[in-house]
Amino acid sequence: DIQMTQSPSSLSASVGDRVTITCRASQSISNYLNWYQQKRGKAPELLIYAASSLQSGVPSRFSGSGSGTDFTLTISSLQPEDFATYYCQQSYGTPRTFGQGTKVEIK
Amino acid sequence: QVQLVQSGAEVKKPGSSVKVSCKASGGTFSSHAISWVRQAPGQGLEWMGGIIPLFGSANSAQRFQARVTITADESTSTAYMELSSLRSEDTAVYYCVRAVIAPIPYFDYWGQGTLVTVSS
Repeated sequence: DIQMTQSPSSLSASVGDRVTITCRASQSISNYLNWYQQKRGKAPELLIYAASSLQSGVPSRFSGSGSGTDFTLTISSLQPEDFATYYCQQSYGTPRTFGQGTKVEIK
Repeated sequence: QVQLVQSGAEVKKPGSSVKVSCKASGGTFSSHAISWVRQAPGQGLEWMGGIIPLFGSANSAQRFQARVTITADESTSTAYMELSSLRSEDTAVYYCVRAVIAPIPYFDYWGQGTLVTVSS
C-alpha cells in the first residue's frame, strides 16, 4: 500500500495568515494526488485534484503543487471558514489511501 | 446538481451484518465509480472499496475483502455496501463517494454519511 504522511498534524493560525500543509507519498505517484477539506460533523469536500487543479467553486486562495512524492496545499490568506481538517489522498494505486489529516485551528 | 443520499443510521450487534445504500441523482451513474470510505470516531478517512456500475466489477481493500460486498443497481442508480461479521471497531461513519475515473481519479461528490454503531 502507498503510505501518505501529512505534516503538521495540526497548526494554529490567524485569519489572513498564509498556511502550508505538506503531504509525502511512500513512492512516486506522479500527480495522482487530491486534497479534501472536512469541517466538523460534515462530509469531506474536494478542493484540489491532480495535485494542482482547483475544483469548481473552490476559492482561488487554495492552491496545490508538487509531483512525485512531495506535495503542498497552500491557503494564501486564511479565512474564518477555512478552519477545518485537510486530507491528502493518492489515486495512483489501490487501495486508495489518505493522509492522517491536518487540523487547522484558530490562534 | 449531483446528490448522493444514503440510508439512515444503524445499530448492530457484534457478528451481524449491515447494508448501507447510496442513491445517486443528477448525474450519470454508470459512467463514474462509486467508492465507500469510512471514518471511525475522531479518526481519519479509510477507503474500503469501489465499483464501476457500467462494468459491474468491484474491488476492495485487502483488509476488508473477506467481509465487504459492494454492488450497484443501474436501474435505480443505487449502490450498496454490505459489511459482515461486524465488530466494535467497525463503528464509524460510512460515506459513499462518486469518483471521476480518468484521467486522474478523484472523489468529487460525497454522500451525507451513515453512522453504523456496533454494540452489544
